[in-house]
Amino acid sequence: AQKVTQAQTEISVVEKEDVTLDCVYETRDTTYYLFWYKQPPSGELVFLIRRNSFDEQNEISGRYSWNFQKSTSSFNFTITASQVVDSAVYFCALSAPESAGNMLTFGGGTRLMVKP
Amino acid sequence: DTAVSQTPKYLVTQMGNDKSIKCEQNLGHDTMYWYKQDSKKFLKIMFSYNNKELIINETVPNRFSPKSPDKAHLNLHINSLELGDSAVYFCASSQDYGRVGGYTFGSGTRLTVV
Repeated sequence: AQKVTQAQTEISVVEKEDVTLDCVYETRDTTYYLFWYKQPPSGELVFLIRRNSFDEQNEISGRYSWNFQKSTSSFNFTITASQVVDSAVYFCALSAPESAGNMLTFGGGTRLMVKP
Repeated sequence: DTAVSQTPKYLVTQMGNDKSIKCEQNLGHDTMYWYKQDSKKFLKIMFSYNNKELIINETVPNRFSPKSPDKAHLNLHINSLELGDSAVYFCASSQDYGRVGGYTFGSGTRLTVV
């Protein structure tokens, strides 16, 4: 079975602070895919990144960066110089096709509040 | 052009009623899904269809019946609605387990049962 754990349920920061959202996953598959989604107050789910299990390179996209470490089964997400518009619920998710077919398993989400 | 569109966006109905939520995707994806997001924001898969064939059917009451007339459409029909069915329902689609283009979600349908 696969599982995604986001231990931080809520994080509150002041604008311009850096913040890291943690994600730990469990799967027995050797090939799997990890995702981050953002859910702003308007409610839609916005795709941020996909990473496959064979690619441990960290990725940076503007103020966003992701740190994938297979050794600790973690896929953490850092926002640098946070802004009020970053306030949202962020979900980490896992797709493990060998054992779970094509479904996406979500973590419980981390609510990020960025205060001005 | 909306990639995954679901209607209606809001649905308020009384207990015991039957209602449907429609979903269409124009991405050419081969797999479609229904997810339920409860009041604590937890997202859980309900159903998955691949080329009109049911692939995943999680532990969902049989009052919920998905229907896929073609691979671009996946509708969700709910019979005898209960208070506990109140949630946000998301339709999604993917190609090749999300390896190509990830999973794309609709904007959600907020169902309120009163």
